[in-house]
Amino acid sequence: GAVVSQHPSRVICKSGTSVKIECRSLDFQATTMFWYRQFPKQSLMLMATSNEGSKATYEQGVEKDKFLINHASLTLSTLTVTSAHPEDSSFYICSAIVPTGQNIQYFGAGTRLSVL
Amino acid sequence: QKEVEQDPGPLSVPEGAIVSLNCTYSNSAFQYFMWYRQYSRKGPELLMYTYSSGNKEDGRFTAQVDKSSKYISLFIRDSQPSDSATYLCAMRGGGGSYIPTFGRGTSLIVHP
Repeated sequence: GAVVSQHPSRVICKSGTSVKIECRSLDFQATTMFWYRQFPKQSLMLMATSNEGSKATYEQGVEKDKFLINHASLTLSTLTVTSAHPEDSSFYICSAIVPTGQNIQYFGAGTRLSVL
Repeated sequence: QKEVEQDPGPLSVPEGAIVSLNCTYSNSAFQYFMWYRQYSRKGPELLMYTYSSGNKEDGRFTAQVDKSSKYISLFIRDSQPSDSATYLCAMRGGGGSYIPTFGRGTSLIVHP
């Protein structure tokens, strides 16, 4: 299947610092990527849709100044959690659509963020 | 009522059992139906997807979609302890739609 690489898998940071998470499509070009957040024993919550070369589309209730998304190339999207606080601690997962016509999403391995 | 309903479990079965995982939905516009497997602390892995109604088989896994009942199933034959994971159903409409609606996942435990 398609490979989506996400890095880092785990990050621990102090409150007030910024954290960048990278999402790469390894064997295909992804004009659209997605960022999700997942709380324990909960389903995936879509945060934003990342579009190559244009601004991301954020879901209602997601602070775009807090969660900065950059999709500068067809294989890379980044999510920066700015001035992170303990309530931002969560599991963040990216996904990308393989351009085969069915528009099926493939996911990265996720990043576990812990803000102290 | 949520658009997609999925029993969170946990569902505990002995090794070798046939497992049935299910989701119901309310949006008749859904046309693509996906099943993802998610191990603890990992991202979801696509298992299968089906377009419209019918069955699809891949090894020990069979996906069924009954659009008339708005009900989808994933069957796992000869279940193994390595199948222990959370199984998420997801579904979306056709055309230009590409953001699926996810169920909350069913936790499956296959014990030796």
